[in-house]
Amino acid sequence: LAKTTQPISMDSYEGQEVNITCSHNNIATNDYITWYQQFPSQGPRFIIQGYKTKVTNEVASLFIPADRKSSTLSLPRVSLSDTAVYYCGRRAGSYQLTFGKGTKLSVIP
Amino acid sequence: DVKVTQSSRYLVKRTGEKVFLECVQDMDHENMFWYRQDPGLGLRLIYFSYDVKMKEKGDIPEGYSVSREKKERFSLILESASTNQTSMYLCASSLGPGQPQHFGDGTRLSIL
Repeated sequence: LAKTTQPISMDSYEGQEVNITCSHNNIATNDYITWYQQFPSQGPRFIIQGYKTKVTNEVASLFIPADRKSSTLSLPRVSLSDTAVYYCGRRAGSYQLTFGKGTKLSVIP
Repeated sequence: DVKVTQSSRYLVKRTGEKVFLECVQDMDHENMFWYRQDPGLGLRLIYFSYDVKMKEKGDIPEGYSVSREKKERFSLILESASTNQTSMYLCASSLGPGQPQHFGDGTRLSIL
């Protein structure tokens, strides 16, 4: 059974780069890796997704090694407003998302 | 911007009641989803729908059913509510296969 594991919490100072790594046990060939951000009292918000190597958008980068057993979300120069819970997940096929338990990122002034 | 609206932010019901949670999206998305979120367990998929009147079971469908009579609306039904269904329920929609999901802000449901 595929399982996604990520650290429960992380702390970082403002202005630093933050890397959150997730392990994807038994990820299937057709699965995509995806990351979402969630603030208190709000629904999750899509950040980035990828299949392998590196994907970059305006807010984050996603690194996926060749064996695809892990992924690393990289947030450049975090600010206080980046304090949130970050979920890694797998998209199986076209629709179904399976999430990890989330990493609570606290950004410290 | 995509808007996914859930009918209630907070709801309190009694054991055995039939409970309806409603979700509406305004972007003509094909796919809609229902999740529940519990501390320490993350998000778990209950049901999803890829077209009107079509539905598929997710990871934890037991005790739930869904209805999608119109493209923009997806309802989650608890046929006979139980205390272990106390949770945060999140609705989401996506444009098509493989597209990012857009979530509502959730309904916190308490079953007494």
